[in-house]
Amino acid sequence: DGGITQSPKYLFRKEGQNVTLSCEQNLNHDAMYWYRQDPGQGLRLIYYSQIVNDFQKGDIAEGYSVSREKKESFPLTVTSAQKNPTAFYLCASSTSTGRGEQYFGPGTRLTVT
Amino acid sequence: GQQVMQIPQYQHVQEGEDFTTYCNSSTTLSNIQWYKQRPGGHPVFLIQLVKSGEVKKQKRLTFQFGEAKKNSSLHITATQTTDVGTYFCAGLGGSNYKLTFGKGTLLTVNP
Repeated sequence: DGGITQSPKYLFRKEGQNVTLSCEQNLNHDAMYWYRQDPGQGLRLIYYSQIVNDFQKGDIAEGYSVSREKKESFPLTVTSAQKNPTAFYLCASSTSTGRGEQYFGPGTRLTVT
Repeated sequence: GQQVMQIPQYQHVQEGEDFTTYCNSSTTLSNIQWYKQRPGGHPVFLIQLVKSGEVKKQKRLTFQFGEAKKNSSLHITATQTTDVGTYFCAGLGGSNYKLTFGKGTLLTVNP
């Protein structure tokens, strides 16, 4: 089956710990994205990558980091510097940045206490 | 930066009533996309509009892109309980590669 997988579905961490969220796609898409969703806030772009070994900050990149060493993988690290990390994180991919439909993974709900 | 405003934030209808959500951008858009997110789920692509004044239909759903390419609407005729969810518009500006999402309209349908 083609698609995007995110793991885990639920993640719990203590404040002060870094945590890495997984995102894998087998759609052969060049572009990948990370969004954060909070109630009533819609989707806000954290980072995006147009091609392997390249990525750009989105609108709310502070406290996050990413890597794109393989076409199919785009992990997101939520660092201890992120002041309000509890949220629903969505990964997406598309054939070309911005101009095609984005396919979303099922999301990871991160809770930091 | 580019902003995309979407109204209303919430809409509750009786089954069979119509529903419309509106999207306005602060800048001219290259294209606009619409997504639906069911409760507890992830956004799923519905459609993309590219041309000024474009109108597209998918069964009971009608999508419009304004003449100035700064606004768009989604209209659902005769809502059903399966239409429940949050509808997002997302606009692509002319000179960047980032989609900017509206905050969405949560539609609930009373059977």
